[in-house]
Amino acid sequence: DAGVIQSPRHEVTEMGQEVTLRCKPISGHDYLFWYRQTMMRGLELLIYFNNNVPIDDSGMPEDRFSAKMPNASFSTLKIQPSEPRDSAVYFCASSWGQGRPDSPLHFGNGTRLTVT
Amino acid sequence: QQQVKQSPQSLIVQKGGISIINCAYENTAFDYFPWYQQFPGKGPALLIAIRPDVSEKKEGRFTISFNKSAKQFSLHIMDSQPGDSATYFCAASPGRYNQGGKLIFGQGTELSVKP
Repeated sequence: DAGVIQSPRHEVTEMGQEVTLRCKPISGHDYLFWYRQTMMRGLELLIYFNNNVPIDDSGMPEDRFSAKMPNASFSTLKIQPSEPRDSAVYFCASSWGQGRPDSPLHFGNGTRLTVT
Repeated sequence: QQQVKQSPQSLIVQKGGISIINCAYENTAFDYFPWYQQFPGKGPALLIAIRPDVSEKKEGRFTISFNKSAKQFSLHIMDSQPGDSATYFCAASPGRYNQGGKLIFGQGTELSVKP
């Protein structure tokens, strides 16, 4: 298995532009998570899906952020409009195990976003 | 109550030494405590995990010690090697995802093992 695949690996954009991050989870996994990593705040859970349905989006910082999972093999995280404070590494992770947190999270290698 | 506090922020250890990273929590509903390891440019990966019904779990050179009454847990890396140099995150979760059981991560500890 190729693992969780994220694209792009790096994204540099100007303030005000729309940014779309993409994720392909591991086949068969029923949970998908979006995390944001910064030096100041560490790893923050933004949103997670179960069987393509958003379950908890309480970590989404603002209405500028939105996430979708149109099918079991694809998810997007969109920021519109982007701001410099959105600069971070965004991770997608997936897991399987009937909703038990002791099922390991499998992380992608992240998208490093820089907003200038 | 949802926080997991991790220390130290950074740690330098000589090869062959013991690395110790500590975490503390407040929420007594937490019932699962994993440690994740992250190498530069990569996503975190599960290293070892423990449930509060045991006080210690060992896997190779990695040991989790758990103190339920103090609400603290720690990671010990014995015979630390340069290849262990990475960022380590503790985490905790209060049950199943459909009961709000999302993983809460600590701030991370950057470990550097000197040859």
